[in-house]
Amino acid sequence: DTGVSQDPRHKITKRGQNVTFRCDPISEHNRLYWYRQTLGQGPEFLTYFQNEAQLEKSRLLSDRFSAERPKGSFSTLEIQRTEQGDSAMYLCASSNRTGFQETQYFGPGTRLLVL
Amino acid sequence: GQQVMQIPQYQHVQEGEDFTTYCNSSTTLSNIQWYKQRPGGHPVFLIQLVKSGEVKKQKRLTFQFGEAKKNSSLHITATQTTDVGTYFCAGFRSGNTGKLIFGQGTTLQVKP
Repeated sequence: DTGVSQDPRHKITKRGQNVTFRCDPISEHNRLYWYRQTLGQGPEFLTYFQNEAQLEKSRLLSDRFSAERPKGSFSTLEIQRTEQGDSAMYLCASSNRTGFQETQYFGPGTRLLVL
Repeated sequence: GQQVMQIPQYQHVQEGEDFTTYCNSSTTLSNIQWYKQRPGGHPVFLIQLVKSGEVKKQKRLTFQFGEAKKNSSLHITATQTTDVGTYFCAGFRSGNTGKLIFGQGTTLQVKP
């Protein structure tokens, strides 16, 4: 257990529905990342926050995806009008970057299946 | 865009044999990190290398960062069944402070 928690751990939804995932990072960490991982691939960067500011968002992320970190603590990732191609593991990670040193601690992930 | 490639994609070894995975980036990296993901699990941080030519060891694991900071390797000596999993390298592009790019991973199977 890294101290990063994600909820829910599994989600099955029908195509066209909206889903929201939550990530609670390690409390003293100022950075929070969202990744997507499909079978046989490495985690793919989606977006990240430093405190409450969203500093970068992948160009691969469509307008159906939105992420927030309103108080600089927990974060939510919402997918609107889900598609079957959205089926994947969604990973959250947190870190406390100092200079070039940064260790990202991953949560257990939320596995999404879109039917 | 920046790409990080790993070879081989899969490796099956007999317990006790050595194992090496190689990581190559299309661009210079400010640092390289290695993660291990067990089947059904999430990536777990192993190590970070920052300096050109850096070599670090963790028990049976040896990590190297290339002189040009574009490639890296992970070598496991005398593999054990507990080494089973997928090993990912990941790097920050030089000058980029947030986006970590992962390779596609090398999955290691160890036969007892």
